[in-house]
Amino acid sequence: EVQLVQSGGGLVQPGESLRLSCVASGFTFSNSWMHWVRQAPGEGLLWVSRVSGDGTTTFYADSVKGRFTISRDNAKNTVFLQMNSLRAGDTAVYYCVNDPVGGTNHWGQGTLVTVSS
Amino acid sequence: EIVMTQSPATLSVSPGERATLSCRASQSVSPNLAWYQQKPGQAPRLLIHGVSIRATGIPARFSGSGSGTEFTLTISSLQSEDFAVYYCQQYNNWPWAFGQGTKVEIK
Repeated sequence: EVQLVQSGGGLVQPGESLRLSCVASGFTFSNSWMHWVRQAPGEGLLWVSRVSGDGTTTFYADSVKGRFTISRDNAKNTVFLQMNSLRAGDTAVYYCVNDPVGGTNHWGQGTLVTVSS
Repeated sequence: EIVMTQSPATLSVSPGERATLSCRASQSVSPNLAWYQQKPGQAPRLLIHGVSIRATGIPARFSGSGSGTEFTLTISSLQSEDFAVYYCQQYNNWPWAFGQGTKVEIK
């Protein structure tokens, strides 16, 4: 069974940093692109970032480019999202998502990041 | 950047009726178009990928169609558990983008 277990959310002030983690199990992690998607309260979905299986290729939404960094540790089946210079507009539930395995993708439970003074 | 536009914003349907949701892309995204269902307090669930391929475990009453820039999600006979928000999403070009969603509510 595929599982994605997230941690690391919370309340921070504008300009501060936070790192999200997502531990994966139930599939061959090192072969799978991994992704972060966020949803602001009451709003739609934004595909934030993605990273290749070997960690060498990354993509970012324009709104986070230069502030967020996606990375992974294949030895620990974990993907990270380092978020620096956080803004109020980054307030959202963040989900980690894997590439489709067995005909569907899987989403973590979501973690709330609140940026407020 | 590709913009995804869904219509209508809200669809009021009676249980057992057919629901048709539309999604338009600002440029061609075929065949890299997916549909998601999201219920309150839950993560989105993949329904359809590759325009018309049902994801694992998705009932046959959900079907996707379309090509180029125009796509449709059809729910043939709405069940109580289908009342939710539905999003289309293109993964043809980065940045991948979602539509703004269609809320399917009970009439």
